[in-house]
Amino acid sequence: GENVEQHPSTLSVQEGDSAVIKCTYSDSASNYFPWYKQELGKRPQLIIDIRSNVGEKKDQRIAVTLNKTAKHFSLHITETQPEDSAVYFCAAASTSYGKLTFGQGTILTVHP
Amino acid sequence: ETGVTQTPRHLVMGMTNKKSLKCEQHLGHNAMYWYKQSAKKPLELMFVYNFKEQTENNSVPSRFSPECPNSSHLFLHLHTLQPEDSALYLCASSQGQGEQPQHFGDGTRLSIL
Repeated sequence: GENVEQHPSTLSVQEGDSAVIKCTYSDSASNYFPWYKQELGKRPQLIIDIRSNVGEKKDQRIAVTLNKTAKHFSLHITETQPEDSAVYFCAAASTSYGKLTFGQGTILTVHP
Repeated sequence: ETGVTQTPRHLVMGMTNKKSLKCEQHLGHNAMYWYKQSAKKPLELMFVYNFKEQTENNSVPSRFSPECPNSSHLFLHLHTLQPEDSALYLCASSQGQGEQPQHFGDGTRLSIL
């Protein structure tokens, strides 16, 4: 089955800095890679996703890059703000089946 | 966003109790999922239902019994749970199994005494 590794487990940055979270996956059949943000006591919310037919996707301060050859993808947050503080999860799935496999999560703390 | 609603939000129960968790989605989706989220562990998929039929049981102990009476409702019946079952139980839905993204509910925080 699929195995997703996520690093780092914790990340602390100053407001305005950039944050990068990296994930690797094992199943070459995976073709869908979402990123979820989970604030304390709240539901995981999809913030961006990418499919294997593109290498990069951007939405305002958030971007995701995908390297299918190396089987890794990354989340980039620029100009971080305190409200970006949360746990971020990456995941991988094959859309032919739909089973999402999640990474272990990264606790991001943005200091004012 | 209230597309996926879970009740109760918090549940404390003894090991011999029987309780049920409820999930309802208002998104017109056909696939529904149960996940377990424990501290310091990745979200673990438990069950998948697609058009009311169970399509995945991820080696979940029989003390967890899911039920999907229709595409909008999903239950997780609990019986004789263990302390290690204390976790956040999340429900999610998607247009169909294999279709993304999945939308999550707020979860039920379960504590086993």
